[in-house]
Amino acid sequence: QITLRETGPPLVKPTQTLILTCNFSGFSFDTSRVGVAWIRQPPGKALEWVALIFGDDDRRYSPSLNNRATITKDSSKNQVVLVLTNVDPVDTATYYCAHRGTWPNVGGLGFDSWGQGTPVSVS
Amino acid sequence: QSVLTQPPSVSGAPGQSVTISCTGSSSNFGTGYGAYWYRQFPGQAPELLIYGDYNRAPGVPDRFSGSKFGTSASLVITGLQAEDEADYYCQSFDSGLRGVIFGGGTKLIV
Repeated sequence: QITLRETGPPLVKPTQTLILTCNFSGFSFDTSRVGVAWIRQPPGKALEWVALIFGDDDRRYSPSLNNRATITKDSSKNQVVLVLTNVDPVDTATYYCAHRGTWPNVGGLGFDSWGQGTPVSVS
Repeated sequence: QSVLTQPPSVSGAPGQSVTISCTGSSSNFGTGYGAYWYRQFPGQAPELLIYGDYNRAPGVPDRFSGSKFGTSASLVITGLQAEDEADYYCQSFDSGLRGVIFGGGTKLIV
């Protein structure tokens, strides 16, 4: 059974750096198909993809973040960390980490397990 | 502005059926990337309903079905129940953006 849990500060000031940690269990980064994403949701708004890291350390970022995000993994600790620099009130959101599903013969990329989310306010 | 376009809301009476559309483009659905659907209740995390266009996630009843044709995907919910009232999101991958994309979400009112 896959579980993910996000932790981080509930409040950060503008221009500061936000560090969020995703602790997971039930899988490992043992192949390039395994992936973990950060996805956020501003209050009352839609889901927005932030970043994604694969088992081979391939990393993808949303262009809308203007190079402010960095995603890393620590396989020994079963952790994925998101660092977001120079935060702004528009970064206020609930941040989720999610596991990329690895179904056989299925195209594309989706997420079969999600953490409960951690709310972050930039003010 | 989301890359995938969904209607803001749909509604239906208990027992009826509804369809939620998700319109993409040649750089996502049109390229063959799969459609994924999630349901989100207020204050909760999203949960996967459909993966790879039409496959139901474990535990999802067969009242939920997904399809994709060309650059559009659809989620059909039959036999509507009050507990189906939630927000529904479609999601895929975009080759131009080289990343994950979501629709703007659809609120289902039963």
